[in-house]
Amino acid sequence: SQQGEEDPQALSIQEGENATMNCSYKTSINNLQWYRQNSGRGLVHLILIRSNEREKHSGRLRVTLDTSKKSSSLLITASRAADTASYFCATDYYFGTGTSLTVIP
Amino acid sequence: GAVVSQHPSWVICKSGTSVKIECRSLDFQATTMFWYRQFPKQSLMLMATSNEGSKATYEQGVEKDKFLINHASLTLSTLTVTSAHPEDSSFYICGPQSGVYNEQFFGPGTRLTVL
Repeated sequence: SQQGEEDPQALSIQEGENATMNCSYKTSINNLQWYRQNSGRGLVHLILIRSNEREKHSGRLRVTLDTSKKSSSLLITASRAADTASYFCATDYYFGTGTSLTVIP
Repeated sequence: GAVVSQHPSWVICKSGTSVKIECRSLDFQATTMFWYRQFPKQSLMLMATSNEGSKATYEQGVEKDKFLINHASLTLSTLTVTSAHPEDSSFYICGPQSGVYNEQFFGPGTRLTVL
């Protein structure tokens, strides 16, 4: 059975805008990871956030985790064309189908 | 593309014995290694993270004395399941992360069955 979902499935924005992707899951988790995958390449590990953490930053990335709502969000600020990729969340029990982000120059 | 090998690919052992699983990144250097276990029809569950030459960081609920991780070199990491019991039967997958582009790859997995 599906243990989570991501939305939106696809997102298209202009360069410079912020992009927000959401991940919801169904079971209690120990940690949640966000990955990026450029077309034809492997998964790039972006951020790991643990269940006792609420927010984490890495450069232009901000990840939040709300365990009460069983959801996480990935925010990319000041997006660039190079951010065009698919973004996946992964928990102990769920590896998402991803959000396809297109950043238009 | 990156090549990751795991050995053995499958193992059957008696309860109480220890089993060592090797993960090798054959054409890149893995500065970070993730170890996962996967139960049937479930996603990968992160067990621990290790950096080359450092002690592993274990996730909640994972016994560090039971699942010994050694990341002695940039191309080899081992997971030893000590005093294995039937409930340890699972699919164990390593995930070496390249230090160059932070790309993470996944090994083919090791099927452990403890009788």
